Parts: sequence; structure tokens; C-alpha cells
Amino acid sequence: AQSVTQLDSQVPVFEEAPVELRCNYSSSVSVYLFWYVQYPNQGLQLLLKYLSGSTLVKGINGFEAEFNKSQTSFHLRKPSVHISDTAEYFCAVRGGGYNKLIFGAGTRLAVHP
Amino acid sequence: ETGVTQSPTHLIKTRGQQVTLRCSSQSGHNTVSWYQQALGQGPQFIFQYYREEENGRGNFPPRFSGLQFPNYSSELNVNALELDDSALYLCASSLDSDNEQFFGPGTRLTVL
Repeated sequence: AQSVTQLDSQVPVFEEAPVELRCNYSSSVSVYLFWYVQYPNQGLQLLLKYLSGSTLVKGINGFEAEFNKSQTSFHLRKPSVHISDTAEYFCAVRGGGYNKLIFGAGTRLAVHP
Repeated sequence: ETGVTQSPTHLIKTRGQQVTLRCSSQSGHNTVSWYQQALGQGPQFIFQYYREEENGRGNFPPRFSGLQFPNYSSELNVNALELDDSALYLCASSLDSDNEQFFGPGTRLTVL
């Protein structure tokens, strides 16, 4: 069965500092990986996705992630965060014979001035 | 292009009652997936509808049921509500079951 583990429940960081949000997955089949962001009282917005090809994936709002098959990881990075990046971030893997998303428990990114 | 919309935004029910949540898919999308997000957790897959047929189901009891209509909008019905059903319910639509899912803002259900 596929699963996703987000290693940090909360990540505090100062504005303009770099950040990495960690995600590990387990899957016995081809992997499709996603990062979503959820702002307070809102739904999920797709940041980026890995389906195939280059292991370095660039997304919206300056975020990027690297797919590492040997380490079964898909960590999210941003070189310089803003206050507006404060939100909950979810890593997900697509599983099953249909388009079901399996989410991690989320990482709360708190950017401080 | 209209995005995914859900109604109502919030609602409060008491234990044992029944509730219906509604989702309008993005224009052109024929697949709707429903997720339950309990407080402090990631979304959990409930089920998916593709062209009016259930296309897959997660580990939720039969009192969670759904419908998809010819215009591809969808309903989630929950019978015999329990306190643990309190959560944010998210709907996502996609063009066919293989493509990117676009999420709505969710319905916050509180069961007292």
C-alpha cells in the first residue's frame, strides 16, 4: 500500500530565509507525487507535481521539489520565504487504479518577520 | 472558467442526523472526488465518481454515499452522523480520472 510521511509537523522560519519541507513516500508502483498548499479556511492549491522526466520540479510561488527514487523522498524547497507563505503544506502520492490522492499529515510553515 | 464550488460553506448538525453536501465541478470536468479532512490531519479519500458511476472508494462506511448528476455536479450524503464526522469536506474535479484534480474551498461540518 502507498503512504506518505511528512517528517515535520511544524516548521518555523524567519522571512527571507530558505526552507525545506520533508516528504517520504512508499509505493510499489510508478510514482506520481504532488505538493499542495492550504491557506486558512481555504481548499487545496497545487504547488507542483512530479509525473516523470526531470527529477527537479519547479512550481508556483518560487517553490521547487526534487524527486529522489533511491531515498523515496520528494522534499519541497524555497530559497527565500515570505510572510505570505505561511500556510499548511501537504505532500501526496497518487495511488490505486484511479486518480486517488494519498496525503501526508501536513506541515505547518510559519514565517516570522 | 468557473472553478470548483461547494455548498454550504459551514453547517452544524447533531448526532444521528443526515447531511447532504454539494459540489459543482469545474467546467468541462467529468470526474469528482470527495475527501474528508479532520482537524490537524491530511485529507482522506472517500470516493470518486466518473461519468455518474462510482469509480473507487476509500475506507469509509456505507453511511457515506454519493451521487453524480448528468451535469457532473455531485452530492455527498452522510447518514447517522457521528461526532467524528466533524471535518472539512473537500471536493475535487478533474477531466477524466487520470488528470490533475482541482479542489473546491470545502464545507466545514460540525456534529454536536
